[in-house]
Formats: sequence, structure tokens, C-alpha cells
Amino acid sequence: DSGVTQTPKHLITATGQRVTLRCSPRSGDLSVYWYQQSLDQGLQFLIQYYNGEERAKGNILERFSAQQFPDLHSELNLSSLELGDSALYFCASSVYDRASAGNTIYFGEGSWLTVV
Amino acid sequence: AQTVTQSQPEMSVQEAETVTLSCTYDTSESDYYLFWYKQPPSRQMILVIRQEAYKQQNATENRFSVNFQKAAKSFSLKISDSQLGDAAMYFCAYGNKLVFGAGTILRVKS
Repeated sequence: DSGVTQTPKHLITATGQRVTLRCSPRSGDLSVYWYQQSLDQGLQFLIQYYNGEERAKGNILERFSAQQFPDLHSELNLSSLELGDSALYFCASSVYDRASAGNTIYFGEGSWLTVV
Repeated sequence: AQTVTQSQPEMSVQEAETVTLSCTYDTSESDYYLFWYKQPPSRQMILVIRQEAYKQQNATENRFSVNFQKAAKSFSLKISDSQLGDAAMYFCAYGNKLVFGAGTILRVKS
């Protein structure tokens, strides 16, 4: 158990709909990351938040948005869903290693999204 | 932009034997971090090992070790005394936000 909690674990929805994926980071971790794993695109970094502020953006579609709340949990909102959005969405959080000045990222179990 | 290449889509190893998974990367940065993650059939992403680029010593975690060649931009993972539980997809990843390779499926034969 990595300590990163994601809900829901599975979700089936129709095209055109909107869903929200929720993530609670490990205790004490300020950074939250979202990744998408699909068959055709592999594992892709979507977006990072640090202590409530957007820190970095990857290959995130304009139909997708995220936020991190004051209690550090994060939500990924996916709207106008298309069949191609079907994927495993991971949330991850990181601890900053002062000794090496780097992050180690720990993943949640993922949320399976199926768009039909 | 950084890229990570895993040239072996699939590898097989006999139980108790040693296997090496390859990874190369491209970056213009001098200080960075490299990781290997394991993804078993449960699809959970599990950190296997981490290497800081400024460290010349190769990282080791029990049966897992890396061969880090900074000049060649190579970062291979060696698994010794392979066990059935090692069967999984292995991803090489670069940097603080993680740029992933395509992955290598490792099969372990009993």
C-alpha cells in the first residue's frame, strides 16, 4: 500500500459525459501528480500540483482540468468524454528528499475509466 | 524534451536466473533522477529503484541493481535470482515528473 488513495476504482460512463476522479496523497506529501495510461499512448504525465498551485503541465487535454484543495486532496475532471479517453488514470504523490534534493513519486492504485 | 527508450518489448528469464532490462534516455540536463517501476497484473505502479545522476555508484535494492552509464545515457536494471513474483511490466522513467519508456514485459519461467 503506497498510501495514495484514489476513488473510484472503476467507472463506466457514456460519451459526452463528465466525471471526477479523486485522490488523497500520502500524509505529508505536498505534490500531487496525475498520469494517464492507455494502450495507444502508454503512460503519460498530465499535470502536477504543489501545495494547491499548478506546478507543471504535461499532455493534458483542454477538456481535462484538475485542482488541489487546501487539505491537499486533488480532483481530476474529465469532460465531453470520448471513447479514446478510456484509460487507467493514476494519481501519485511525492516526498521531497532533502539529502538528494529530488522527489520520489508513489502511485495510487488507479481509476479505471471506460467510456462507452 | 526528454525521451526514454526501452528497446525490449518482452523478455523471459528462468526462475533463479539473472536478467537485464535495457533503458536509454535523452536529456540535456546534467542533474536528474532515474527510476524503474514495476507494474504487475494488478496494474499497481511499484517503485523498484531510484538513481541520482550525480552519484557514480550504482543503486542497489536487494536483488535489484542498476548499471548507470551517464555518458552513454543508459540505465539498465538487473534482476538477480529471479522469482515468479518478478513477472510484470517494467517501466524506466526519467526526471521529477516522470517521463516513461514504453515498458518491457518480463516473463519468469518455472
